[in-house]
Amino acid sequence: GENVGLHLPTLSVQEGDNSIINCAYSNSASDYFIWYKQESGKGPQFIIDIRSNMDKRQGQRVTVLLNKTVKHLSLQIAATQPGDSAVYFCAESQYSTLTFGKGTMLLVSP
Amino acid sequence: DAGITQSPRHKVTETGTPVTLRCHQTENHRYMYWYRQDPGHGLRLIHYSYGVKDTDKGEVSDGYSVSRSKTEDFLLTLESATSSQTSVYFCAINLGGAYEQYFGPGTRLTVT
Repeated sequence: GENVGLHLPTLSVQEGDNSIINCAYSNSASDYFIWYKQESGKGPQFIIDIRSNMDKRQGQRVTVLLNKTVKHLSLQIAATQPGDSAVYFCAESQYSTLTFGKGTMLLVSP
Repeated sequence: DAGITQSPRHKVTETGTPVTLRCHQTENHRYMYWYRQDPGHGLRLIHYSYGVKDTDKGEVSDGYSVSRSKTEDFLLTLESATSSQTSVYFCAINLGGAYEQYFGPGTRLTVT
């Protein structure tokens, strides 16, 4: 929604750069992790997911890395474009519910 | 948008009044969720439903109730709205996979 970017950590990159957004999760029993993108005034949009028995998964221009030892998740966006500007949330799942992180704002300048 | 609509999209109401938000899906999915989103807090789960008449509480359920009398509709009710319930409310559905949730466009609620 609007104003969701207030008080968030911000990553500023140039168009064409690679972006890395990080997330620390809390529950070592979580079995599934998801990244969402949220543009201003819209609902969160699914990007990519990864199961806890994997350490890497690739999509189109995006890669998610999972390090269970330190409970860390990252989203890598290759060749970042202005349309990638948004707030990015990680979420962890146990059973049928998700717990979201507080988000990171990505700003891409031309 | 995975067939999810929310109504109303915007609402302004006064403290102490009841408010009901509606989430409607056309996909016949079992799981439906209500979240609120506030600056600095991200998305927090209020209530969810795993079938008709089957609901459970989330992280921030106090002051909210829900009902699901048919598969396609999940209603969120604020019995007596307070200013702390000013927020953007999102509904989500689970598209059959255990974990992927798809979100509606949101309802901006302002309690004056």
